[in-house]
Amino acid sequence: GAVVSQHPSRVICKSGTSVKIECRSLDFQATTMFWYRQFPKQSLMLMATSNEGSKATYEQGVEKDKFLINHASLTLSTLTVTSAHPEDSSFYICSASRGGRSYEQYFGPGTRLTVT
Amino acid sequence: AQSVTQPDIHITVSEGASLELRCNYSYGATPYLFWYVQSPGQGLQLLLKYFSGDTLVQGIKGFEAEFKRSQSSFNLRKPSVHWSDAAEYFCAVAPNTGFQKLVFGTGTRLLVSP
Repeated sequence: GAVVSQHPSRVICKSGTSVKIECRSLDFQATTMFWYRQFPKQSLMLMATSNEGSKATYEQGVEKDKFLINHASLTLSTLTVTSAHPEDSSFYICSASRGGRSYEQYFGPGTRLTVT
Repeated sequence: AQSVTQPDIHITVSEGASLELRCNYSYGATPYLFWYVQSPGQGLQLLLKYFSGDTLVQGIKGFEAEFKRSQSSFNLRKPSVHWSDAAEYFCAVAPNTGFQKLVFGTGTRLLVSP
């Protein structure tokens, strides 16, 4: 159990366009979802935390108008990279949690975004 | 601010040999500690976690980790490595205040030689 999927796994888009990444919890209800960004040879950096039905909480330095996060249901969160630029190219990973103090975050396989 | 250091970027171990991956953290109090493994095309998988109690923690796939408060370390060990263990390993910490906010180290890539 506790499977998290991401779609797409890879996406290439042109500069200036927007791209949406989906994160789904397939077999459990995710009260909280997290979005991370992973640069090559670096650790995962938390971008934002979202609770179902609430606005996302963004980490310092993350532009909320550029990285739009929606957590409209207990099984789906989306990250939209708006007006993408080459520097937004990265590996984006989501995780989902049932919430509470269990701390178990279940991670998706990630989405490789390339902006040309 | 919390930070996690994994001093080894790459480690190569022969199949069947023992493994130790190092992790040091910086935090004001004892945090919650985790080890994750990331295989290509797969999401991060939790190997084990330490919240409190016995400082030697057993995890999945034959891994264990030992929390040493005096050294602010949480090293991951396995007595006999298998080729399928080749992957990226991440140490992570979270505050013990009930807030889910993982801070990850930079990872250690494990290579297993025949």
